[in-house]
Amino acid sequence: DILLTQSPAILSVSPGERVSFSCRASQSIGTSIHWYQQRTNGSPRLLIKYASESISGIPSRFSGSGSGTDFTLSINSVESEDIADYYCQQSNSWPTTFGAGTKLELK
Amino acid sequence: EVKLVESGGGLVQPGGSLRLSCATSGFTFTDYYMSWVRQPPGKALEWLGFIRNKANGYTTEYSASVKGRFTISRDNSQSILYLQMNTLRAEDSATYYCARVTGPFAYWGQGTLVTVSA
Repeated sequence: DILLTQSPAILSVSPGERVSFSCRASQSIGTSIHWYQQRTNGSPRLLIKYASESISGIPSRFSGSGSGTDFTLSINSVESEDIADYYCQQSNSWPTTFGAGTKLELK
Repeated sequence: EVKLVESGGGLVQPGGSLRLSCATSGFTFTDYYMSWVRQPPGKALEWLGFIRNKANGYTTEYSASVKGRFTISRDNSQSILYLQMNTLRAEDSATYYCARVTGPFAYWGQGTLVTVSA
């Protein structure tokens, strides 16, 4: 199975700051990585698909990059509503796997 | 509007069984793979399995952690996805989500909580 390692486990930011989340795959997966946001007591919400493709309805401050084994989700200017857990998921090979997540908190 | 609504969760004793349902609307159900994902309290998401679409014969795949105990099925006439869970263990306690699959999991339900405890 492909292991996805997300770092750091916790990110502390102030509103307006730029923040980046890392997801590293245990083997090359091309661009088959997807990013989700999960607010407290909420369901996961797809933010970015295939490493960098935007999703309708998702604010433009969210962007993704990377290929192969190293991927990044960025939030250009954090807002209070962005406080949540963020997960990456790979669909390059079965079984699909999720990372352990990064918690975004306010300073 | 795409909607996924899970139901059927609750408290069950170890060794017991439970069937979860996921009622869907707003899309052509038979065109899509459908999946179940769970999340223990305070922990990460775990993919459990999926059932393929009509074009791929509605076949199934499972994670190693639930293979042989859990069964995914679908009622295509009513656009409902099911998860039959047998021989439940304490570590199966989690919120269970259904999701529509196209590579990414584009749509999710609100989840249903399963608690396995004596």
